[in-house]
Amino acid sequence: DVKVTQSSRYLVKRTGEKVFLECVQDMDHENMFWYRQDPGLGLRLIYFSYDVKMKEKGDIPEGYSVSREKKERFSLILESASTNQTSMYLCASGPSWTRRETQYFGPGTRLLVL
Amino acid sequence: AQKVTQAQTEISVVEKEDVTLDCVYETRDTTYYLFWYKQPPSGELVFLIRRNSFDEQNEISGRYSWNFQKSTSSFNFTITASQVVDSAVYFCALSDSNTGNQFYFGTGTSLTVIP
Repeated sequence: DVKVTQSSRYLVKRTGEKVFLECVQDMDHENMFWYRQDPGLGLRLIYFSYDVKMKEKGDIPEGYSVSREKKERFSLILESASTNQTSMYLCASGPSWTRRETQYFGPGTRLLVL
Repeated sequence: AQKVTQAQTEISVVEKEDVTLDCVYETRDTTYYLFWYKQPPSGELVFLIRRNSFDEQNEISGRYSWNFQKSTSSFNFTITASQVVDSAVYFCALSDSNTGNQFYFGTGTSLTVIP
């Protein structure tokens, strides 16, 4: 079974803090994704990566950055957390585009920024 | 333009009732893929089904069934004899050549099954 793990289930941070969310997958997938989920807005893509050190902006990249130094690990960074970044963050991984298979999701991190 | 529309925000049904979750999509491609996911209260999205645009056969898996109709650009999901464990948020998603590695997700339908 594919396993996607996220470093924290719940996180509380203060405004202005630098926040790191870590995601690890064990299926050697090329693609990894970070989404943000808010009520009524569904899942919105923040960034994705299709290879090590490669990244592409999604729909809402402002205020976020990412890092992919190893194939299995994809980090989301909030450079200076703000209250409007309070949300549920979901990481996903998937094989290359040509295979058009499903994405596999981690359990999510609920981030509260005070 | 929204690529995937799930017009039903919240649905409540009594246990053992049938329920259909609607999904309407928009794409100009002839080759595309549609997906349904379930998100229980624990938070993790669970993959339910993938359908490619060339396969219009309806699919049945236990109490779950999917109706894919290209003529109306719909990919609806029906749960027969609903159970409390079906309570979750359900997402429909689209992948086409424009999205590349990305998926477009609908806004989700929250289903509550009342015992």
